[in-house]
Amino acid sequence: DTEVTQTPKHLVMGMTNKKSLKCEQHMGHRAMYWYKQKAKKPPELMFVYSYEKLSINESVPSRFSPECPNSSLLNLHLHALQPEDSALYLCASRGPMNTEAFFGQGTRLTVV
Amino acid sequence: GENVEQHPSTLSVQEGDSAVIKCTYSDSASNYFPWYKQELGKGPQLIIDIRSNVGEKKDQRIAVTLNKTAKHFSLHITETQPEDSAVYFCAASMPGSRLTFGEGTQLTVNP
Repeated sequence: DTEVTQTPKHLVMGMTNKKSLKCEQHMGHRAMYWYKQKAKKPPELMFVYSYEKLSINESVPSRFSPECPNSSLLNLHLHALQPEDSALYLCASRGPMNTEAFFGQGTRLTVV
Repeated sequence: GENVEQHPSTLSVQEGDSAVIKCTYSDSASNYFPWYKQELGKGPQLIIDIRSNVGEKKDQRIAVTLNKTAKHFSLHITETQPEDSAVYFCAASMPGSRLTFGEGTQLTVNP
């Protein structure tokens, strides 16, 4: 099973709302990632968790707050977002060293 | 850091023809090169990958070649079908490091 599951698939939120994106994998991968993808662009790395600890934060604004409750779950908490934050948010997981990375189907986020 | 360039940005072929997408990378320490297919509204799907100790890998109609000396790798799709239409991303990775993506190629297969 190489599935990474993301919920919800679509999310519309106002600029004052608080919402969370969820990601789950059961491949035993200990590295999990959040990416942001704009139309016609490659995925852009936001955060990396390794063994449930935040190892990389690509200078992402504090209105995005990641959380890794356990080795299978990854959350992205959203608060006070801006319209320019509208994008496809992708979760990915990867095994040790240079093994394959698998992506979820993404959450299409629209900030109004 | 690593830099990956991908060409062409758009590619249109007739059904049944072959399609080739090329990528170059900058850091000779990179040793893992995956290709992803992304259909509209979906996440990237890993379709094939190659490691630096191998020159070529094939999976049915899809093949990837790697030239370490020239630091470039290519995706070859034979007997293209309309369902092959998508955006394709190449990527490169050094040991224990993140994936660096190319800018993507929009492939259109015309029936």
